Amino acid sequence: QKEVEQNSGPLSVPEGAIASLNCTYSDRGSQSFFWYRQYSGKSPELIMFIYSNGDKEDGRFTAQLNKASQYVSLLIRDSQPSDSATYLCAVMLNNAGNMLTFGGGTRLMVKP
Amino acid sequence: GAVVSQHPSRVICKSGTSVKIECRSLDFQATTMFWYRQFPKQSLMLMATSNEGSKATYEQGVEKDKFLINHASLTLSTLTVTSAHPEDSSFYICSATPGDTDTQYFGPGTRLTVL
Repeated sequence: QKEVEQNSGPLSVPEGAIASLNCTYSDRGSQSFFWYRQYSGKSPELIMFIYSNGDKEDGRFTAQLNKASQYVSLLIRDSQPSDSATYLCAVMLNNAGNMLTFGGGTRLMVKP
Repeated sequence: GAVVSQHPSRVICKSGTSVKIECRSLDFQATTMFWYRQFPKQSLMLMATSNEGSKATYEQGVEKDKFLINHASLTLSTLTVTSAHPEDSSFYICSATPGDTDTQYFGPGTRLTVL
C-alpha cells in the first residue's frame, strides 16, 4: 500500500462545475496536509494546507480533512479551463521532520 | 513572500560533464531545502534533504557521490550532477521551508538534458 494515494485520472469536468479531488494516506499520525497544483512542464505551486479536521476555504478552493478516515480532499468550485493541471496531495508523515510524501497526482481536465 | 528561485532554468550538456544547479530562497531563510527529480509523466521523487551547515540526507537509491549537495547558507543550496549521463536527463526541482513553518515552497525547476 502506498503511503499517499490519489486517483491518477484524468478527471474531466465541464467548465463551471465543481471538481472533487481525493487523497488517502496510511499514516494515522500525520499532522500536515498540502495540495499543490502542477501545470505541465512547470514546478508545483502551493494551493492550500490544512492541519485540522473539517473544511478550510480559500476563494474557489476548499480543502477537507478527515483524520479518522485518513483522507483529504480538494474541491474546486466554478472550475475554469485554466484549472486544468495535475493536483498533488502531499502529507507530512509522523516523525518525518519536514519531509513531504507526495501522491502520484490527479490530472484534472476542465472542458470549456 | 516565500519565493524560491533556481538557476539555470534549462541546461543542455554533453555526457561526462558536471552541472551545478542553484536554489535560493529570496525572501526568507530556509533551514531545510529539498531536492526532487521528476521524469516525464511521473510524480516527484525526493532525492535528498539539505540542512544548512550539515551533510545532506539522501534517499535510498540516490548516489551521494554523483549528486553533490552543498547547503552553504540559509538562502542557498546547490546540487551538482557529476559526470552527467543521458539517463540523468530530468526535471530537477528544489523546495525550501521557512524556519517558522512546515510548508515547502518550490523553485521553478531546472530542466537538464544530457546529450
